[in-house]
Amino acid sequence: EDQVTQSPEALRLQEGESSSLNCSYTVSGLRGLFWYRQDPGKGPEFLFTLYSAGEEKEKERLKATLTKKESFLHITAPKPEDSATYLCAVQAGGGATNKLIFGTGTLLAVQP
Amino acid sequence: SQTIHQWPATLVQPVGSPLSLECTVEGTSNPNLYWYRQAAGRGLQLLFYSVGIGQISSEVPQNLSASRPQDRQFILSSKKLLLSDSGFYLCAWRTGGTYEQYFGPGTRLTVT
Repeated sequence: EDQVTQSPEALRLQEGESSSLNCSYTVSGLRGLFWYRQDPGKGPEFLFTLYSAGEEKEKERLKATLTKKESFLHITAPKPEDSATYLCAVQAGGGATNKLIFGTGTLLAVQP
Repeated sequence: SQTIHQWPATLVQPVGSPLSLECTVEGTSNPNLYWYRQAAGRGLQLLFYSVGIGQISSEVPQNLSASRPQDRQFILSSKKLLLSDSGFYLCAWRTGGTYEQYFGPGTRLTVT
């Protein structure tokens, strides 16, 4: 069964304290891995798509990497405005569904 | 640029009452459309998807239904709400050539 597991469930950082969030997946035929940011009471905001092991994407203080079994979202020198829930999702197989399987997210709190 | 709208933003309904949530997308043609539900502490659960007008596929058996009367309009309905239908409902879209999905602002439904 296709599965996505994110860790930790919650992470509290001081402003400027770099860290990483983990997304491990078990899927047959990975078509893509996606990172989203979700603020309270809002819809997820798309951040990155990674397609193959070794691929990296960067956006401001965020950097996403992908291996054959997991992805990391590295946060460098975070600021309080980076506080949010970060969701990981994978797409397996193909077809018209483009079904995404989501993890339960990591709640990040960055304190000033 | 593309924009996705959902309404209402919040809704409180008694058990047994009907439901209609609407989602519209602007700035794109023939999108794939998706309805998700997000329960507290759980990942996003795909409910329905549509690849075209009148084409609906259900992922989870339940008392909800979906319809797509126009190319960029997606409606989630129920004839009789259950307490377990409470949650955060998200609409998403995707167009061909990319795998990532883009989410709307969501509707918070509370069934009392």
